[in-house]
Amino acid sequence: GAVVSQHPSRVICKSGTSVKIECRSLDFQATTMFWYRQFPKQSLMLMATSNEGSKATYEQGVEKDKFLINHASLTLSTLTVTSAHPEDSSFYICSARERGTGISNQPQHFGDGTRLSIL
Amino acid sequence: AQKVTQAQTEISVVEKEDVTLDCVYETRDTTYYLFWYKQPPSGELVFLIRRNSFDEQNEISGRYSWNFQKSTSSFNFTITASQVVDSAVYFCALSENNFNKFYFGSGTKLNVKP
Repeated sequence: GAVVSQHPSRVICKSGTSVKIECRSLDFQATTMFWYRQFPKQSLMLMATSNEGSKATYEQGVEKDKFLINHASLTLSTLTVTSAHPEDSSFYICSARERGTGISNQPQHFGDGTRLSIL
Repeated sequence: AQKVTQAQTEISVVEKEDVTLDCVYETRDTTYYLFWYKQPPSGELVFLIRRNSFDEQNEISGRYSWNFQKSTSSFNFTITASQVVDSAVYFCALSENNFNKFYFGSGTKLNVKP
């Protein structure tokens, strides 16, 4: 149980393109989803927290106009990297928090990540 | 402020050796949670363990064991009789009481050679 599906797993595109990444909770409802970015050989850094039906909360230094987050349903959040440039190339990972969790050993379930390469 | 430090950037061992990955954390919260995750080359995060701040019991799961010491703010991870399949990057993480924010350490890359 508690599977988070992230799609696509890898994307390569030209500079200036907008890229959408989907994060779905397959067998549970996720009131809150999180988006992380991981540069090569570095740690995961939280970019933003999204709650279903409301605007995402962005971490300091993350451009909200650049990284558009939508959490329209309890099972789907999307991250759109607008007008992507080579410096946006990174590994993006989403996670989803089950409604009411606090007892579960895993309060956040992680997707398998999306490797984004901008040429 | 919350912070997780994994001082070991990379460790190389030979198969069957024991290896300990260090994790030191900082937090002002009285209730917090600590985690270890494994990230193989494919990139996905594999959950290994969660430990609550109010539970200092050490834990053993097969070849894995964890030593939680509040007095030194450490949560170290030991792999006994390491195997090649243990090769990965291991992250220690700290979460606040509401589980909304995870603070990850910089990770330790473990290379287990045959």
